[in-house]
Amino acid sequence: RKEVEQDPGPFNVPEGATVAFNCTYSNSASQSFFWYRQDCRKEPKLLMSVYSSGNEDGRFTAQLNRASQYISLLIRDSKLSDSATYLCVVGREAAGNKLTFGGGTRVLVKP
Amino acid sequence: AAGVIQSPRHLIKEKRETATLKCYPIPRHDTVYWYQQGPGQDPQFLISFYEKMQSDKGSIPDRFSAQQFSDYHSELNMSSLELGDSALYFCASSTLGTEGTEAFFGQGTRLTVV
Repeated sequence: RKEVEQDPGPFNVPEGATVAFNCTYSNSASQSFFWYRQDCRKEPKLLMSVYSSGNEDGRFTAQLNRASQYISLLIRDSKLSDSATYLCVVGREAAGNKLTFGGGTRVLVKP
Repeated sequence: AAGVIQSPRHLIKEKRETATLKCYPIPRHDTVYWYQQGPGQDPQFLISFYEKMQSDKGSIPDRFSAQQFSDYHSELNMSSLELGDSALYFCASSTLGTEGTEAFFGQGTRLTVV
């Protein structure tokens, strides 16, 4: 079993709709959680950090459930430009520790 | 703002040759990570360095080695290249901050082994 797992999708989303997906992690010692966005053949770019209390950044909302060991990302009012692969990344807060990536969830927003 | 710089951006090598990839982290970042991403795959962790010392090791083949220098730049050395080494190689850097270890990626080096 992979340490960080995601539904690979694709999630086909009509423009303007809401889409949400989860990521589960197996290492209970994990303390840092992030969502990255990766466009085809480009580097992953940090979308947002995920805090225990949940956080929102514009149309994007991330939540963390430590008890069930998953994080979620919700995208409201989807735009065509939201089409990308969303990577869940889990790390430990101690410096020098590796970040572990999930396999990514592909989102396709269509007109 | 300064970002992570990787060089070269593209590299074509023949089987059994060697390759050296370079990474210049964001200034004042103390941790460097190397990832390999094959076609249609998620990034796979290879190795990381914290304060010029190896901090963690992932699925890095024995044919590969890496180090972080006194100026914090890092190099990934790859020998006896195989066709399966063709991939995107990303370097990321981070530092422990109030929001945890957010990592920022370079644009990657696309290695093609022929």
